Amino acid sequence: LAKTTQPISMDSYEGQEVNITCSHNNIATNDYITWYQQFPSQGPRFIIQGYKTKVTNEVASLFIPADRKSSTLSLPRVSLSDTAVYYCLAVFSGGYNKLIFGAGTRLAVHP
Amino acid sequence: EAGVTQFPSHSVIEKGQTVTLRCDPISGHDNLYWYRRVMGKEIKFLLHFVKESKQDESGMPNNRFLAERTGGTYSTLKVQPAELEDSGVYFCASSLAGTGNTEAFFGQGTRLTVV
Repeated sequence: LAKTTQPISMDSYEGQEVNITCSHNNIATNDYITWYQQFPSQGPRFIIQGYKTKVTNEVASLFIPADRKSSTLSLPRVSLSDTAVYYCLAVFSGGYNKLIFGAGTRLAVHP
Repeated sequence: EAGVTQFPSHSVIEKGQTVTLRCDPISGHDNLYWYRRVMGKEIKFLLHFVKESKQDESGMPNNRFLAERTGGTYSTLKVQPAELEDSGVYFCASSLAGTGNTEAFFGQGTRLTVV
């Protein structure tokens, strides 16, 4: 399973765009890049998933370059409620959701 | 639609006692997973059910942990006897049938404290 590396923590202010980059140099052909968000005292929550290029939904955008060795989660105009831990995972498309969590990125949004 | 629910939300027990955690997955989800995070460490996979069958239990720490999913609906995770190092937050997740990159839905977790 591909190991992912992401910043331990980030700080931002309300209204700013936040980009969290994840490195996955050993990503396998059948792996999808998946991001989860976790608030204190809650379980992780799926945000977005992609294989290549750009994916956008109502919450975030995910940019994956052609070599797929990294990806960037983009949160537009963050608010205080976006303060959470964000996990980048490589999920094998041919298997089940045996998710391998790293330490994640702790995002703090300030007023 | 109800999400994944876990019971209890908190449990404090003494070392040597038994505790049973329960998880009710989203209705219709064949896949059910147990994860846990011990203090200061990362969320770790414990095991995975497909309906009532254990698909993968490679993450179960030792034989003091027993997971069941009778009838392929809710699941229980029993710790007997509990040790101090079992303290942590236990998460349950469920997803739709089959393999592939399907979204996993997590419950809010059960915080277990062994004293």
